[in-house]
Amino acid sequence: DGGITQSPKYLFRKEGQNVTLSCEQNLNHDAMYWYRQDPGQGLRLIYYSQIVNDFQKGDIAEGYSVSREKKESFPLTVTSAQKNPTAFYLCASSIDTGRNEQFFGPGTRLTVL
Amino acid sequence: GDSVTQMEGPVTLSEEAFLTINCTYTATGYPSLFWYVQYPGEGLQLLLKATKADDKGSNKGFEATYRKETTSFHLEKGSVQVSDSAVYFCALIRYGGATNKLIFGTGTLLAVQP
Repeated sequence: DGGITQSPKYLFRKEGQNVTLSCEQNLNHDAMYWYRQDPGQGLRLIYYSQIVNDFQKGDIAEGYSVSREKKESFPLTVTSAQKNPTAFYLCASSIDTGRNEQFFGPGTRLTVL
Repeated sequence: GDSVTQMEGPVTLSEEAFLTINCTYTATGYPSLFWYVQYPGEGLQLLLKATKADDKGSNKGFEATYRKETTSFHLEKGSVQVSDSAVYFCALIRYGGATNKLIFGTGTLLAVQP
Protein backbone atom coordinates (compact mmCIF):
# COMPACT_ATOMS: atom_id res chain seq x y z
CA ASP A 1 0.00 0.00 0.00
CA GLY A 2 1.19 3.50 -0.83
CA GLY A 3 1.43 6.04 1.91
CA ILE A 4 3.46 8.19 4.24
CA THR A 5 5.12 6.86 7.35
CA GLN A 6 6.44 8.89 10.24
CA SER A 7 8.48 7.57 13.09
CA PRO A 8 8.44 7.43 15.96
CA LYS A 9 4.85 8.17 16.97
CA TYR A 10 5.95 9.57 20.34
CA LEU A 11 9.31 11.13 21.08
CA PHE A 12 10.72 12.52 24.29
CA ARG A 13 13.88 14.61 24.51
CA LYS A 14 15.66 16.69 27.05
CA GLU A 15 15.89 20.41 26.59
CA GLY A 16 18.94 21.44 24.56
CA GLN A 17 19.15 18.24 22.51
CA ASN A 18 18.66 18.09 18.77
CA VAL A 19 16.19 15.50 17.53
CA THR A 20 15.40 14.19 14.05
CA LEU A 21 11.93 13.15 12.95
CA SER A 22 11.60 10.68 10.10
CA CYS A 23 9.24 10.95 7.13
CA GLU A 24 9.12 8.46 4.26
CA GLN A 25 6.71 8.23 1.33
CA ASN A 26 6.26 5.60 -1.38
CA LEU A 27 3.75 7.56 -3.43
CA ASN A 28 6.37 8.76 -5.92
CA HIS A 29 5.48 12.34 -5.03
CA ASP A 30 7.87 15.14 -5.87
CA ALA A 31 6.80 17.56 -3.14
CA MET A 32 7.05 17.03 0.61
CA TYR A 33 6.15 19.24 3.56
CA TRP A 34 6.54 19.56 7.32
CA TYR A 35 3.86 21.15 9.49
CA ARG A 36 3.62 21.88 13.16
CA GLN A 37 0.31 21.61 15.04
CA ASP A 38 -0.27 23.11 18.47
CA PRO A 39 -3.39 22.52 20.59
CA GLY A 40 -6.40 24.44 19.32
CA GLN A 41 -4.51 25.83 16.36
CA GLY A 42 -4.31 25.10 12.69
CA LEU A 43 -1.26 23.72 10.97
CA ARG A 44 1.74 25.93 10.31
CA LEU A 45 4.24 25.21 7.55
CA ILE A 46 7.84 24.68 8.67
CA TYR A 47 9.64 23.64 5.47
CA TYR A 48 8.75 22.26 2.08
CA SER A 49 10.61 20.63 -0.77
CA GLN A 50 9.54 20.69 -4.40
CA ILE A 51 12.20 18.27 -5.61
CA VAL A 52 15.21 16.30 -4.47
CA ASN A 53 18.09 18.43 -3.18
CA ASP A 54 15.90 21.50 -2.92
CA PHE A 55 13.89 22.88 -0.01
CA GLN A 56 12.39 26.18 1.06
CA LYS A 57 11.53 27.78 4.38
CA GLY A 58 7.92 27.96 5.37
CA ASP A 59 6.30 30.32 7.83
CA ILE A 60 8.03 29.10 11.00
CA ALA A 61 11.42 27.68 9.92
CA GLU A 62 13.51 29.16 12.74
CA GLY A 63 15.03 26.44 14.91
CA TYR A 64 14.41 23.68 12.35
CA SER A 65 16.43 22.14 9.54
CA VAL A 66 15.68 19.61 6.80
CA SER A 67 17.36 17.64 4.04
CA ARG A 68 16.05 16.02 0.86
CA GLU A 69 18.71 13.64 -0.41
CA LYS A 70 16.18 11.09 -1.70
CA LYS A 71 12.78 11.51 -3.26
CA GLU A 72 11.21 9.23 -0.67
CA SER A 73 12.64 10.86 2.45
CA PHE A 74 12.36 14.30 4.08
CA PRO A 75 13.69 14.23 7.66
CA LEU A 76 13.16 17.17 9.99
CA THR A 77 15.65 18.13 12.70
CA VAL A 78 14.38 20.11 15.64
CA THR A 79 17.40 21.95 16.98
CA SER A 80 18.10 23.36 20.41
CA ALA A 81 17.49 26.82 18.90
CA GLN A 82 13.76 26.09 18.65
CA LYS A 83 12.36 27.85 21.72
CA ASN A 84 9.16 25.87 22.12
CA PRO A 85 9.57 22.51 20.36
CA THR A 86 6.87 20.50 22.13
CA ALA A 87 4.17 19.95 19.48
CA PHE A 88 2.60 17.48 17.06
CA TYR A 89 4.58 17.31 13.79
CA LEU A 90 2.95 16.26 10.54
CA CYS A 91 4.65 15.35 7.30
CA ALA A 92 2.81 15.53 3.98
CA SER A 93 3.44 14.97 0.30
CA SER A 94 1.82 15.87 -3.01
CA ILE A 95 2.40 15.10 -6.66
CA ASP A 96 3.81 18.58 -7.07
CA THR A 97 3.43 21.98 -5.44
CA GLY A 98 0.51 22.94 -7.66
CA ARG A 99 -3.16 22.77 -6.77
CA ASN A 100 -3.14 19.09 -5.95
CA GLU A 101 -4.12 17.85 -2.52
CA GLN A 102 -1.54 16.92 0.07
CA PHE A 103 -1.51 13.54 1.78
CA PHE A 104 -0.51 13.37 5.42
CA GLY A 105 1.37 10.93 7.59
CA PRO A 106 0.16 9.86 11.06
CA GLY A 107 2.31 12.44 12.86
CA THR A 108 4.96 12.46 15.58
CA ARG A 109 4.24 13.92 19.00
CA LEU A 110 7.43 15.49 20.35
CA THR A 111 7.69 16.33 24.03
CA VAL A 112 10.72 18.20 25.32
CA LEU A 113 11.24 17.75 29.03
CA GLY B 1 -2.49 37.55 2.59
CA ASP B 2 -4.55 34.47 1.97
CA SER B 3 -6.50 33.12 4.92
CA VAL B 4 -9.22 30.72 5.98
CA THR B 5 -11.75 31.36 8.75
CA GLN B 6 -13.76 28.57 10.34
CA MET B 7 -16.51 28.65 12.91
CA GLU B 8 -15.22 28.05 16.40
CA GLY B 9 -16.02 24.83 18.12
CA PRO B 10 -16.70 22.63 19.76
CA VAL B 11 -19.82 21.69 17.87
CA THR B 12 -21.85 19.17 19.86
CA LEU B 13 -24.65 17.28 18.12
CA SER B 14 -26.81 14.27 18.75
CA GLU B 15 -26.57 11.31 16.41
CA GLU B 16 -28.57 11.77 13.18
CA ALA B 17 -28.57 15.57 13.51
CA PHE B 18 -27.76 17.86 10.58
CA LEU B 19 -24.24 19.28 10.50
CA THR B 20 -22.98 22.57 9.13
CA ILE B 21 -19.45 23.84 9.70
CA ASN B 22 -18.91 27.27 8.20
CA CYS B 23 -15.76 28.17 6.29
CA THR B 24 -14.94 31.41 4.51
CA TYR B 25 -11.75 32.35 2.75
CA THR B 26 -9.74 35.31 1.54
CA ALA B 27 -7.51 34.76 -1.46
CA THR B 28 -6.38 36.41 -4.64
CA GLY B 29 -6.93 34.47 -7.80
CA TYR B 30 -8.79 31.19 -7.88
CA PRO B 31 -7.90 28.86 -5.03
CA SER B 32 -8.64 25.18 -4.72
CA LEU B 33 -10.56 24.39 -1.53
CA PHE B 34 -10.34 21.37 0.74
CA TRP B 35 -11.83 19.83 3.85
CA TYR B 36 -9.57 17.61 5.92
CA VAL B 37 -10.56 15.50 8.94
CA GLN B 38 -8.34 14.58 11.87
CA TYR B 39 -9.31 11.79 14.26
CA PRO B 40 -7.77 11.84 17.74
CA GLY B 41 -4.03 11.22 17.73
CA GLU B 42 -3.85 10.79 13.96
CA GLY B 43 -2.76 12.71 10.90
CA LEU B 44 -5.08 14.54 8.52
CA GLN B 45 -7.17 12.78 5.90
CA LEU B 46 -8.55 14.51 2.85
CA LEU B 47 -12.34 14.48 3.11
CA LEU B 48 -13.33 16.35 -0.05
CA LYS B 49 -12.18 19.07 -2.42
CA ALA B 50 -13.39 21.55 -5.06
CA THR B 51 -11.21 23.24 -7.62
CA LYS B 52 -13.46 25.85 -9.22
CA ALA B 53 -16.51 27.96 -8.53
CA ASP B 54 -19.81 26.06 -8.12
CA ASP B 55 -18.02 22.71 -7.83
CA LYS B 56 -19.47 20.44 -5.16
CA GLY B 57 -17.12 18.11 -3.34
CA SER B 58 -18.63 15.08 -1.64
CA ASN B 59 -17.47 12.02 0.28
CA LYS B 60 -18.89 9.73 2.98
CA GLY B 61 -22.12 11.74 3.13
CA PHE B 62 -20.31 15.06 3.56
CA GLU B 63 -20.73 17.84 0.99
CA ALA B 64 -19.34 21.31 0.39
CA THR B 65 -19.97 23.73 -2.47
CA TYR B 66 -17.40 26.26 -3.70
CA ARG B 67 -19.22 29.61 -3.57
CA LYS B 68 -17.10 32.34 -5.13
CA GLU B 69 -19.70 35.08 -4.63
CA THR B 70 -19.69 34.56 -0.87
CA THR B 71 -16.11 33.19 -0.67
CA SER B 72 -17.39 30.22 1.29
CA PHE B 73 -16.99 26.45 1.40
CA HIS B 74 -19.32 25.28 4.18
CA LEU B 75 -19.24 21.61 5.16
CA GLU B 76 -22.59 19.80 5.54
CA LYS B 77 -23.84 16.35 6.40
CA GLY B 78 -27.45 15.33 6.64
CA SER B 79 -27.15 12.80 9.47
CA VAL B 80 -24.05 12.60 11.64
CA GLN B 81 -22.82 9.50 13.42
CA VAL B 82 -20.74 9.07 16.56
CA SER B 83 -17.87 7.95 14.32
CA ASP B 84 -17.83 11.42 12.70
CA SER B 85 -16.45 12.91 15.92
CA ALA B 86 -13.18 14.55 14.92
CA VAL B 87 -11.55 17.88 14.12
CA TYR B 88 -12.40 19.29 10.69
CA PHE B 89 -10.05 21.67 8.87
CA CYS B 90 -10.92 23.88 5.94
CA ALA B 91 -7.97 24.76 3.69
CA LEU B 92 -7.05 26.42 0.41
CA ILE B 93 -4.29 26.34 -2.16
CA ARG B 94 -4.03 29.45 -4.27
CA TYR B 95 -3.21 28.81 -7.88
CA GLY B 96 -0.20 30.56 -9.36
CA GLY B 97 3.10 31.78 -8.00
CA ALA B 98 6.16 29.87 -6.89
CA THR B 99 4.82 28.72 -3.57
CA ASN B 100 1.42 27.08 -3.69
CA LYS B 101 1.11 26.55 0.04
CA LEU B 102 -1.80 24.85 1.75
CA ILE B 103 -3.34 27.37 4.15
CA PHE B 104 -5.46 25.99 6.97
CA GLY B 105 -8.19 27.28 9.18
CA THR B 106 -7.85 26.67 12.92
CA GLY B 107 -10.07 23.59 12.88
CA THR B 108 -13.51 22.83 14.31
CA LEU B 109 -14.01 20.07 16.84
CA LEU B 110 -17.17 18.03 16.25
CA ALA B 111 -18.49 15.86 19.08
CA VAL B 112 -21.43 13.58 18.25
CA GLN B 113 -23.30 12.06 21.16
CA PRO B 114 -25.31 8.81 20.93
